[in-house]
Amino acid sequence: SQTIHQWPATLVQPVGSPLSLECTVEGTSNPNLYWYRQAAGRGLQLLFYSVGIGQISSEVPQNLSASRPQDRQFILSSKKLLLSDSGFYLCAWRRGQGSYEQYFGPGTRLTVT
Amino acid sequence: AQSVTQLGSHVSVSEGALVLLRCNYSSSVPPYLFWYVQYPNQGLQLLLKYTSAATLVKGINGFEAEFKKSETSFHLTKPSAHMSDAAEYFCAVSSNSGGSNYKLTFGKGTLLTVNP
Repeated sequence: SQTIHQWPATLVQPVGSPLSLECTVEGTSNPNLYWYRQAAGRGLQLLFYSVGIGQISSEVPQNLSASRPQDRQFILSSKKLLLSDSGFYLCAWRRGQGSYEQYFGPGTRLTVT
Repeated sequence: AQSVTQLGSHVSVSEGALVLLRCNYSSSVPPYLFWYVQYPNQGLQLLLKYTSAATLVKGINGFEAEFKKSETSFHLTKPSAHMSDAAEYFCAVSSNSGGSNYKLTFGKGTLLTVNP
């Protein structure tokens, strides 16, 4: 069976500090990977998605970036955090062709102070 | 472009009562539709999906939803609410229109409260 992991589970960072959130998927190969942010009162916002190693599509211009160094690893980064980056970050995966649903990880709660 | 509207940001029912959470979608091509549930501080769990097969879809935990193309709706129902159903529910639409690569577009969510 497939499993998706995210870490850390919670993070408190000062404004201007760097960020690295990691997501890994087990039990499948060549998944499509997604990063979402859930901020209070703003619903679920797609940030980035990736169809393969090194292939990243950005949905929202911001001070965040994403990378996919390995097939089942997806990293969300920032060089300098803003207060507005606070939120609940969710990673998701989808199988390739013929599958349309996404499966979500447990999330990372980020508080920027 | 695709969009989802969930009517009612908060629904309150009594334990044992019918649960009805409303979802209407907009899509320029035949859509794929999903309901997810989220418990506090957890990720989203897939409840059920419509992917152009049977229009009445059964999911986990006794939930079901009916795809009605003429009404562009995909409402979620459960005959009898349990206390454990209290959570936030999200409706989502997906398609490959315009090369969107089956990205999910979510509604704003409906918080379900179950009263004893």
